[in-house]
Amino acid sequence: ELKVEQNPLFLSMQEGKNYTIYCNYSTTSDRLYWYRQDPGKSLESLFVLLSNGAVKQEGRLMASLDTKARLSTLHITAAVHDLSATYFCAVDINKGAQKLVFGQGTRLTINP
Amino acid sequence: DTEVTQTPKHLVMGMTNKKSLKCEQHMGHRAMYWYKQKAKKPPELMFVYSYEKLSINESVPSRFSPECPNSSLLNLHLHALQPEDSALYLCASSQDVGGANTGELFFGEGSRLTVL
Repeated sequence: ELKVEQNPLFLSMQEGKNYTIYCNYSTTSDRLYWYRQDPGKSLESLFVLLSNGAVKQEGRLMASLDTKARLSTLHITAAVHDLSATYFCAVDINKGAQKLVFGQGTRLTINP
Repeated sequence: DTEVTQTPKHLVMGMTNKKSLKCEQHMGHRAMYWYKQKAKKPPELMFVYSYEKLSINESVPSRFSPECPNSSLLNLHLHALQPEDSALYLCASSQDVGGANTGELFFGEGSRLTVL
């Protein structure tokens, strides 16, 4: 059974600081996704990582995928309050059939 | 704004009621999904439809009955639910489920269900 583990689960940080969220998974996959969810809202797609070594950047967020280590990272640079949300990684365990397994989520709070 | 529309946004029902959740997308996607999300938990896959045919059922109890009338519409029929079924039900769509597809899911705003 695939396990997707995020670390940390809770993160409180100050504006302007940098930090990284880690996503480890237990089985072979070369498809990994990052989503953002605001309280009471739906999930917003942030990044789609489809191969080993993939790196994507959007604003203050950068995601990478190492399929050999079964590890993805979401790096936050110079955090701002608007980035406060819950971030989920998700792994496709059945390529093409879109059977995503989500990590537990990382609840990020950015304080002024 | 999301291009996947779900109705109703909120639903309260008794355990003997029959109700339906509806989802619509106009992005030309050929795959649609139902996810269930409990508070402070990740979404859990329930059903996947590909080209209007059910391709994945994650052993969901029969009191949840999905229906895909056409490639733009997805329904979830609810009957004899239990209080533990209270959750946020999320609909999503993707371009396809084929290997060449990126697999990116686009989620609706969700229907928050409370079962009394």
